[in-house]
Amino acid sequence: GESVGLHLPTLSVQEGDNSIINCAYSNSASDYFIWYKQESGKGPQFIIDIRSNMDKRQGQRVTVLLNKTVKHLSLQIAATQPGDSAVYFCAESYSGNTPLVFGKGTRLSVIA
Amino acid sequence: KAGVTQTPRYLIKTRGQQVTLSCSPISGHRSVSWYQQTPGQGLQFLFEYFSETQRNKGNFPGRFSGRQFSNSRSEMNVSTLELGDSALYLCASSSRQGMNTEAFFGQGTRLTVV
Repeated sequence: GESVGLHLPTLSVQEGDNSIINCAYSNSASDYFIWYKQESGKGPQFIIDIRSNMDKRQGQRVTVLLNKTVKHLSLQIAATQPGDSAVYFCAESYSGNTPLVFGKGTRLSVIA
Repeated sequence: KAGVTQTPRYLIKTRGQQVTLSCSPISGHRSVSWYQQTPGQGLQFLFEYFSETQRNKGNFPGRFSGRQFSNSRSEMNVSTLELGDSALYLCASSSRQGMNTEAFFGQGTRLTVV
């Protein structure tokens, strides 16, 4: 499959453990944030999003935390599974009319 | 509901040629955005179309162009291909203009320029 990033930061976790993937965003005016998962050979897959009027949002096995003070976003994955192995991207947007700006990505490797 | 469909999946072209990539958005979605993905630069925004009009444009040369049809399908064209244009080209569709809403990506078209 395609290599989406040759020198991405990598997070290795044991199967069953919780994973935390961090992202520092660049624009203090950004009001919408989104996490994507990209598996080898596939396009990015939507995981969860959050708007700036919230600081936490939960989905199925995933939680996104937003800290606007320090411009930090994190994705928590509970009970990490081998199928969670992928590259994870955060992205930001503002004003509703600007394109998503993507971070460089983090590679999550799950050890069975 | 069918997802975003991009064709073709793979392309090999020679320097100097031109190429057209196609994207069919999710039914009912009127916004289509294009991104270029490379290992060195990551995901970079090319342009967004909504209701057949280009709404946003990224920082790419004029060799990169696109259009959207009345059925929301979109095409992007790259003329006078260069080796550096080799990349995964991704299309995303969403229901509203702008990218502050869920955007769903296709599998991409892998373009190799030789």
